[in-house]
Amino acid sequence: GAGVSQSPSNKVTEKGKDVELRCDPISGHTALYWYRQSLGQGLEFLIYFQGNSAPDKSGLPSDRFSAERTGGSVSTLTIQRTQQEDSAVYLCASSLGWGTETEAFFGQGTRLTVV
Amino acid sequence: GENVEQHPSTLSVQEGDSAVIKCTYSDSASNYFPWYKQELGKRPQLIIDIRSNVGEKKDQRIAVTLNKTAKHFSLHITETQPEDSAVYFCAPGGFQKLVFGTGTRLLVSP
Repeated sequence: GAGVSQSPSNKVTEKGKDVELRCDPISGHTALYWYRQSLGQGLEFLIYFQGNSAPDKSGLPSDRFSAERTGGSVSTLTIQRTQQEDSAVYLCASSLGWGTETEAFFGQGTRLTVV
Repeated sequence: GENVEQHPSTLSVQEGDSAVIKCTYSDSASNYFPWYKQELGKRPQLIIDIRSNVGEKKDQRIAVTLNKTAKHFSLHITETQPEDSAVYFCAPGGFQKLVFGTGTRLLVSP
């Protein structure tokens, strides 16, 4: 596709269940980021993948959160044993080269609601 | 790690006024200075950026100015319009993870 694609757009889950959020970056983009945005708040960094380097996981809020990126392309963010405070919009972004020196393109986000 | 702050956190102006948002950062290695706009319910999008070898860049009603010595850069919007109402984020870049500023909510009243 022409842009960053995320799925699903919306996800409602019961507390305690696991969820998987998917991000399909722009073809050829080596950098991929996940952010969390609560209602009316800023962009909270979660994790950063750059090429074949080890990901920067310093933003993951707890060990219930994990992410992987297969083949340098699609990424999946997994949240285990979801809690109500996990409710937010999860945004994925990708960019060329080393990433932080070039424009980041965002997906439309996945709105996660934990009930 | 990079510490990024924006001021003000909210800004209300009348249509036609100018608006200025400032971003301060801590990493002296930063060499890319973008501003993103996020309209309500939409994804953030780049509106203007500048690199460290340039002090100022303009694009119609918006401009970005950079002071690398003081480690801050600013977004200037002239002749504001209601459609400029949004949250604006800075994201000074270098060779580490992309960290966004805390955001500035701009409200332009007709």
